[in-house]
Amino acid sequence: EPEVTQTPSHQVTQMGQEVILRCVPISNHLYFYWYRQILGQKVEFLVSFYNNEISEKSEIFDDQFSVERPDGSNFTLKIRSTKLEDSAMYFCASSEIAGELFFGEGSRLTVL
Amino acid sequence: GENVEQHPSTLSVQEGDSAVIKCTYSDSASNYFPWYKQELGKRPQLIIDIRSNVGEKKDQRIAVTLNKTAKHFSLHITETQPEDSAVYFCAASKGGSYIPTFGRGTSLIVHP
Repeated sequence: EPEVTQTPSHQVTQMGQEVILRCVPISNHLYFYWYRQILGQKVEFLVSFYNNEISEKSEIFDDQFSVERPDGSNFTLKIRSTKLEDSAMYFCASSEIAGELFFGEGSRLTVL
Repeated sequence: GENVEQHPSTLSVQEGDSAVIKCTYSDSASNYFPWYKQELGKRPQLIIDIRSNVGEKKDQRIAVTLNKTAKHFSLHITETQPEDSAVYFCAASKGGSYIPTFGRGTSLIVHP
């Protein structure tokens, strides 16, 4: 069964450093998403991507964040200058049709 | 924007009992309500969903009900088994983007 894959599974970084989280969506899916979950809190929407551009983003997704689909298969989330409060589990998801999301297993980001 | 509240945060039942998880939403335009199950260390997986044109949907031991007037929906699991132990998330979204807003999650523990 095809799956969304994410790398790395866990990344530890120093405050102020840039981080890139990578995702490979399911191959025939058209919609891509990033969510995050701070420990003990709800899963929060960051951004959605469709037709090679951002379709929607939340208030959390400020200028420190960017997404890219560099090569037609990968979907990346970049955080330019990490802050302590960026520590969270970041989930990538994709869907063939709008609404039915398939999630990756997440990338845990720890900012020290 | 949409706000989804979920209760309880933890639910402990004996094997064979039923479990009910309740969610409310704020945006009356929401019309798609998925439920996700996340086992420890694994990805959230869609287990059932309901759209606003129906009031109830059932899939074996799992059912979801929707009350649009009251803006609440519930997940019902009958004859619970230890493998049902997981965190369950409800979500709500609306047509167009169908980007789900998640509840905080319910940790279901089924004791053998």
